[in-house]
Amino acid sequence: DAKTTQPTSMDCAEGRAANLPCNHSTISGNEYVYWYRQIHSQGPQYIIHGLKNNETNEMASLIITEDRKSSTLILPHATLRDTAVYYCIRGSNYKLTFGKGTLLTVNP
Amino acid sequence: GAGVSQSPRYKVTKRGQDVALRCDPISGHVSLYWYRQALGQGPEFLTYFNYEAQQDKSGLPNDRFSAERPEGSISTLTIQRTEQRDSAMYRCASSPRRTGDGYEQYFGPGTRLTVT
Repeated sequence: DAKTTQPTSMDCAEGRAANLPCNHSTISGNEYVYWYRQIHSQGPQYIIHGLKNNETNEMASLIITEDRKSSTLILPHATLRDTAVYYCIRGSNYKLTFGKGTLLTVNP
Repeated sequence: GAGVSQSPRYKVTKRGQDVALRCDPISGHVSLYWYRQALGQGPEFLTYFNYEAQQDKSGLPNDRFSAERPEGSISTLTIQRTEQRDSAMYRCASSPRRTGDGYEQYFGPGTRLTVT
């Protein structure tokens, strides 16, 4: 039970922003929202995480709704190399429970 | 800097043999995790260490699976009497934090285990 809901797949045009939604309506107060991605057969790559506030780093921005029931990962200028499976994960400790994720395909 | 490394990258073994998979975490990382990933699925948690202490082994499928991290750095995942259902990608991850402010984990390239 991954406890998050994501679309199975999404497409995005190269150079445009990619907005990946995630629903975590039963998230509890001490659980973080994590985003990882996995490119082809490589190991998962950490992207960003947050608790309540919106977060930004060099890779992406994370927007968490005020009620914390959903979030959006934003890749501001998607490139072909951003094609990957993106996992939204909620958790309060070390144990990451991966679901099936969203396959983002960036098209030229 | 160097990331998480795993060896071997590929292992083919016959049913009934024992295998040992090695993980070398990022230098200085406190926490180490083992996951198993089937084709088309996300990684599945197996076990977790803080320094040399195994804090959680609830994800190990059965008692044929064991893991150790004797000096708080390199870890070995051992599978005894391998079975075909053990075939999967085994991934190791490490984290600089022990508790508290979120847990970003850095994954290695994995060991592809095939049991014939």
